[in-house]
Amino acid sequence: EAGVVQSPRYKIIEKKQPVAFWCNPISGHNTLYWYRQNLGQGPELLIRYENEEAVDDSQLPKDRFSAERLKGVDSTLKIQPAELGDSAVYLCASSLGRDSEAFFGQGTRLTVV
Amino acid sequence: DQQVKQNSPSLSVQEGRISILNCDYTNSMFDYFLWYKKYPAEGPTFLISISSIKDKNEDGRFTVFLNKSAKHLSLHIVPSQPGDSAVYFCAASAWETSGSRLTFGEGTQLTVNP
Repeated sequence: EAGVVQSPRYKIIEKKQPVAFWCNPISGHNTLYWYRQNLGQGPELLIRYENEEAVDDSQLPKDRFSAERLKGVDSTLKIQPAELGDSAVYLCASSLGRDSEAFFGQGTRLTVV
Repeated sequence: DQQVKQNSPSLSVQEGRISILNCDYTNSMFDYFLWYKKYPAEGPTFLISISSIKDKNEDGRFTVFLNKSAKHLSLHIVPSQPGDSAVYFCAASAWETSGSRLTFGEGTQLTVNP
């Protein structure tokens, strides 16, 4: 069974440019997460979906970040415009829900120059 | 406010010995705890979990201990193998207050020397 698939793996952009990340979760997983991991730190939640509903987006910087989960399956995370401080690894994960482990994709390493 | 803390950024052990990784938390509503392992350029991989109704869970070489009164959990790896060298993250969730949101610690880099 395929795991969580993310693309692209790496992205380098100039500041003020837009960027988008894509995630395909494990089939049947209703819960989808986007995390951001800065160097030397643990992942920090940006947004969590239950099916197509964003139920936890309190830590998403809504002035420049947006996300959507179409039909409760694939998801995209967008940053517009990107800032130097957005350089990080963006991780997508999915799970079955309560008391279930989250499975992570390989992440997208974003570098803003 | 760091609700999950891993105070040791690194740990080095000899192959065959026991590795003990520690994690402390502050949120008394946490009721489910997990350990993840992460290799460079890969996403975190689930290792083992424990519910707050238990104080120990074992899976092969990996055992997680939970001390709720001390708000402390630990991961024991025995015997340690060079392939265990990775960054280990503990994570916690509080279903009643924040659903399945996982809060992660900063990670501990484990190095197992041959």
